[in-house]
Amino acid sequence: DGGITQSPKYLFRKEGQNVTLSCEQNLNHDAMYWYRQDPGQGLRLIYYSQIVNDFQKGDIAEGYSVSREKKESFPLTVTSAQKNPTAFYLCASSNLINNQPQHFGDGTRLSIL
Amino acid sequence: GNSVTQMEGPVTLSEEAFLTINCTYTATGYPSLFWYVQYPGEGLQLLLKATKADDKGSNKGFEATYRKETTSFHLEKGSVQVSDSAVYFCALSDQPGAGSYQLTFGKGTKLSVIP
Repeated sequence: DGGITQSPKYLFRKEGQNVTLSCEQNLNHDAMYWYRQDPGQGLRLIYYSQIVNDFQKGDIAEGYSVSREKKESFPLTVTSAQKNPTAFYLCASSNLINNQPQHFGDGTRLSIL
Repeated sequence: GNSVTQMEGPVTLSEEAFLTINCTYTATGYPSLFWYVQYPGEGLQLLLKATKADDKGSNKGFEATYRKETTSFHLEKGSVQVSDSAVYFCALSDQPGAGSYQLTFGKGTKLSVIP
């Protein structure tokens, strides 16, 4: 079945540590996205990419970095510069065709030790 | 900028009750509108969408009509079930001619349906 796989489901970070969240899709979608979800805040866009080797900052990119070396993969690194990283992180993908919806993975919950 | 405003929850209903979750938006141009549903511990699933004024999206008994004159996209269901308990998100796309990137989400409305 086609879909988006995020791993791990739960992740713990120590102070001052960088961690990387994985996102893989086999839907052959051109665009991929990372969102952060906090209670009562809805979803906020961190980064997105429409094509391999290119990506753009979203609304809350500070303290995060991404890469897009392959069409299928869009890993997110939460750096030590992100002072409040505890959240639920969602990856999504879509075709760049008019009005096609985004498809979401099951998310990674990141917590600070 | 773009924004989406949803009615605040949580909303608690008895099984078979009528559901309305209000959603209004502010956007330039002609956005596409979406409702997503999130079950506990999971990602978001597309529930329905509408791409132009007066379009009605529908799925699994849920409906929403794109009302340009009132900038609204209210979600309705005639008879809710316990399995409908989830968080519902209204969203808009501000690039309808080039794909659905840059989604803007409402804050979500938690629905609990009791037997």
